[in-house]
Amino acid sequence: EIVMTQSPATLSVSPGERATLSCRASQSISSSLAWYQQKPGQAPRLLIYDASTRATGIPARFSGSGSGTEFTLTISSLQSEDFAVYYCQQFNDWRPLTFGGGTKVEIK
Amino acid sequence: QVQLQESGPGVVKPSETLSLTCTVSGDTIGNYYWSWIRQPPERGLEWIGYVSYSGSTNYNPSLKSRLTISSDISSDTSRKQFSLELSSVTAADTAVYFCARTAYCGGDCHRIDSWGQGSLVTVSS
Repeated sequence: EIVMTQSPATLSVSPGERATLSCRASQSISSSLAWYQQKPGQAPRLLIYDASTRATGIPARFSGSGSGTEFTLTISSLQSEDFAVYYCQQFNDWRPLTFGGGTKVEIK
Repeated sequence: QVQLQESGPGVVKPSETLSLTCTVSGDTIGNYYWSWIRQPPERGLEWIGYVSYSGSTNYNPSLKSRLTISSDISSDTSRKQFSLELSSVTAADTAVYFCARTAYCGGDCHRIDSWGQGSLVTVSS
């Protein structure tokens, strides 16, 4: 099983600042990575897939990068609606698909 | 555009079988797997498994011995549903269960692009 490790667990950021979230895979997953945003009481929402492709309707302030084992989600200028938990998920090995433990982005 | 909605009991007794159904409306034609994901209270996401259009399945090995996912989704039926059954449940199976659509492709562009709102299932006597 591919283990996905996200850091930090919690990120305190002021509105308007940049947030950088990390996701590391225990083995190479090429670019087969997606990022999701989850707000309390809601289902996750797809932000990024193929490591760097924004999903339909996702603002340009969200960007993804990386390949192999190291990946980054960057939110260029945090808006109030961006405070949430973010998960990465690998699709390189489907037995099983695995998620990272999440990074909570909170207001500083 | 697709919408997914989970339904089923909110409480299941220990050792019994948890059963949930996902009703799908909208776009079911394409390269999709019909998936289940769960999230224990205050914890992260766990992928459970999926069923394909053709009925083939892929399960999380940690749940495989207790798990059945089946589908009634086809292009020529008005009723589009897929289901989850998890047997011999314990308190550790208490979670919000999400049904979802996984889009797959020929390269690295796979993703879960649509989710149901989630259904809380509590295992308790």
